[in-house]
Amino acid sequence: AQSVTQLGSHVSVSEGALVLLRCNYSSSVPPYLFWYVQYPNQGLQLLLKYTTGATLVKGINGFEAEFKKSETSFHLTKPSAHMSDAAEYFCAVTGMDSSYKLIFGSGTRLLVRP
Amino acid sequence: GAGVSQSPSNKVTEKGKDVELRCDPISGHTALYWYRQSLGQGLEFLIYFQGNSAPDKSGLPSDRFSAERTGGSVSTLTIQRTQQEDSAVYLCASSFLRLSREQYFGPGTRLTVT
Repeated sequence: AQSVTQLGSHVSVSEGALVLLRCNYSSSVPPYLFWYVQYPNQGLQLLLKYTTGATLVKGINGFEAEFKKSETSFHLTKPSAHMSDAAEYFCAVTGMDSSYKLIFGSGTRLLVRP
Repeated sequence: GAGVSQSPSNKVTEKGKDVELRCDPISGHTALYWYRQSLGQGLEFLIYFQGNSAPDKSGLPSDRFSAERTGGSVSTLTIQRTQQEDSAVYLCASSFLRLSREQYFGPGTRLTVT
């Protein structure tokens, strides 16, 4: 079965500092990987996705993620945190069946200190 | 264009009552998903519809939960005889699978069972 592990339920950074949110996955087939962001009382917004090809994926709001097959990781980074980045972030992998349902990690809440 | 919409945004119901949650997917999207987001369980897949195919109901937690999708568009998730553990945010997502596996989420319905 596929699974996603997000290390750190809460990450706190200073404004302007590097953001690093960790995601490791388990999959016996080539995975499709996603990062979603959720602002308070809102749905999930797609930040970026990895399907095939280039392993460094750029997303919206200055975020990017690198697919590392050898490490089964898909960590999310942003060079300089902004106050507006404070939200909850979810890493997800698509399931092995044809429904492509998303299997989510437990989420990481990003706090940005002024 | 319009995104995924859900109604109501909030629903408070008494234990034992039935509730219906509605989802309007993005026009033209053939796939529709329901997920549940709760404090204890995180984000969980509930059910998936794709065109005229039989739905994938593998994520429904009990037979009190059911869903239908009429005319390949609007979907209704019904919970019968609600229990307090049904309290959660119910998220709907839609996707155009032939192009990508990206899912676009609605804002969710927050269900509170008292």
